[in-house]
This record gives sequence, C-alpha cells and structure tokens, in this order.
Amino acid sequence: AQTVTQSQPEMSVQEAETVTLSCTYDTSESDYYLFWYKQPPSRQMILVIRQEAYKQQNATENRFSVNFQKAAKSFSLKISDSQLGDAAMYFCAYRRYGQNFVFGPGTRLSVLP
Amino acid sequence: DAGVIQSPRHEVTEMGQEVTLRCKPISGHDYLFWYRQTMMRGLELLIYFNNNVPIDDSGMPEDRFSAKMPNASFSTLKIQPSEPRDSAVYFCASSLRATSGGSSSYNEQFFGPGTRLTVL
Repeated sequence: AQTVTQSQPEMSVQEAETVTLSCTYDTSESDYYLFWYKQPPSRQMILVIRQEAYKQQNATENRFSVNFQKAAKSFSLKISDSQLGDAAMYFCAYRRYGQNFVFGPGTRLSVLP
Repeated sequence: DAGVIQSPRHEVTEMGQEVTLRCKPISGHDYLFWYRQTMMRGLELLIYFNNNVPIDDSGMPEDRFSAKMPNASFSTLKIQPSEPRDSAVYFCASSLRATSGGSSSYNEQFFGPGTRLTVL
C-alpha cells in the first residue's frame, strides 16, 4: 500500500525568507500524481501545487515550487518570500490514476514577523 | 460552480443521538470522498465512492458509521449512535478520475468547507 511521510511535524520561517517542507512516499507504481495542500486556520483545504510523475520538470506556482526526485520518492515544497498568510498546515498527497488519495500527516508552518 | 457543499457547518449533539452529515459534490465529478480530521489522528479517509458506488470503506471506524450516495449529486455520512470520540471535523471532497496525460483538472481533489461535529 502507498504511504506518505512528512517527517517535520512543525516548521517555522521568518517572513520574507525561504522554507522547504519535506515529503517522501512509498509506491511501486511509475505513473501517479503528487500534491501539496494547504489548510489555514479557516480549515478549508486548498491545493497549492501538483506534480505529474511522468514529467521531469519541477512544478512551480508563483512563490511555491517543488523538488521532485522520483528515484528517491521525494517531493519537497519550497516556499519563497514567505508571507504571514502562508501560515497553515501543509499536507503532501499521492494519487495513482483512478485511485483514492493518500495524505501525509501534515506539517504545521508558522511564519514569524 | 459553487464547489463542494457540506451541511451543516457545525453540529452539536448529545451522545447516543443520530447525526447525519450531507455533501453535494461538484457537478460532473465521479469520485466522492469522506474524511475525518482530528488532532490525534490527522486526516483519515473514511470511504470513497466512484459513480455512486462505494469502492473502499475500510476506513469507516465502526458499524455505527454508514455512508450512502443515492445519486451523483448527494451523499450522506451517518453516525448512529454518536459518541464523544466521534467529535471531529468531517470533510467531503470530490474529483474526476485521474488519467495519464489528461487535463490537470482531472486529478485534483476539491474539498468542502467541512462539518465540525461535537458530541457531548
């Protein structure tokens, strides 16, 4: 069964600085999708960024980018120029085609002014 | 589209009472998921449906929990009888089937705002 691990329960970053959240996963499949979701205090789950495993190029969405290492089964999220509004729980998730999503335990990110 | 709609947003009930949570997925989505989130256990998948058919209910904690999807636009999660340990935030989410090389919108999961359940 697929599993997703986030080894950092909590992280903090200074406003305007850069932070990297770690995620590793376990799968025997070669084709799948990976996601980072953000959950602010409002509880709403918001998609931050997605990566298709067959694409070698790392996905980027404005200040958010990923470092996808397929062989290492690693999918880290980098947040540049951190803002106070980035404070939230961040969940890494895996999905194989047509299958359910598997979420990691989450990393709570604090942004310090 | 209004997104995934859940009701009620908050529910407070007494132990032993029946609780019904409701979800309307995004129109056209063929996957529907029910999650439970607690501080202790994080985000847990309870059950998911594909084309209104339950595919995997292994996450349903006990027989007190049941879920139905009578049509493509409506699903319920019922707890009967409820217990204090059922207190949590319950999320419904929907998506289209993920396909290789397809539109990126075909693999994203869209979450509802959640229902905060408190069982006294």
